[in-house]
Amino acid sequence: KAGVTQTPRYLIKTRGQQVTLSCSPISGHRSVSWYQQTPGQGLQFLFEYFSETQRNKGNFPGRFSGRQFSNSRSEMNVSTLELGDSALYLCASSFRESNYNEQFFGPGTRLTVL
Amino acid sequence: AQSVTQLDSQVPVFEEAPVELRCNYSSSVSVYLFWYVQYPNQGLQLLLKYLSGSTLVESINGFEAEFNKSQTSFHLRKPSVHISDTAEYFCAVHASNTGKLIFGQGTTLQVKP
Repeated sequence: KAGVTQTPRYLIKTRGQQVTLSCSPISGHRSVSWYQQTPGQGLQFLFEYFSETQRNKGNFPGRFSGRQFSNSRSEMNVSTLELGDSALYLCASSFRESNYNEQFFGPGTRLTVL
Repeated sequence: AQSVTQLDSQVPVFEEAPVELRCNYSSSVSVYLFWYVQYPNQGLQLLLKYLSGSTLVESINGFEAEFNKSQTSFHLRKPSVHISDTAEYFCAVHASNTGKLIFGQGTTLQVKP
């Protein structure tokens, strides 16, 4: 069974631009969560989607948004990029809501904002 | 609010020596506890988890962790480490009231030959 895939793997943008990251969960998984990983803040929860509905949201500004499609694939969008948005963005999927179910992580998208 | 503290940012250890990676959490509600491992340039992989029952949980590659409710700890141990265990380890807590997975800052385990 294929794992979680994230595209693109690397991305370079400039301040003020917007970016869209994509995540394809493991086949059959309906929950997708997004995390931001930085050296200073560590891993921080962005949001979780289950069956196309946002189930939970972290403490990030409204510039960060996401959605989930009927095939469970998810996209995350960041508008008006700032230097501090440079990070590794990780996507994780699970069969059900991620309360205690194991989350399977993708390799991440490395975003660099110049 | 829930929080997770990993007391050591880096733990250097020689091969075949024992190791303990410390994790303390803060929560007023019931929690589920996890340890994840991240190898260089890879995503996170679940190492082990505590949901309920026996407070000692084990992974297939020799790691174990013990849930201590009175000390609110979930320390990770391995009696004899290998070079291949070099990675970053994250402790995480899932709180029943928020539904969020909160991670600690991570501990880099450096196994030296």
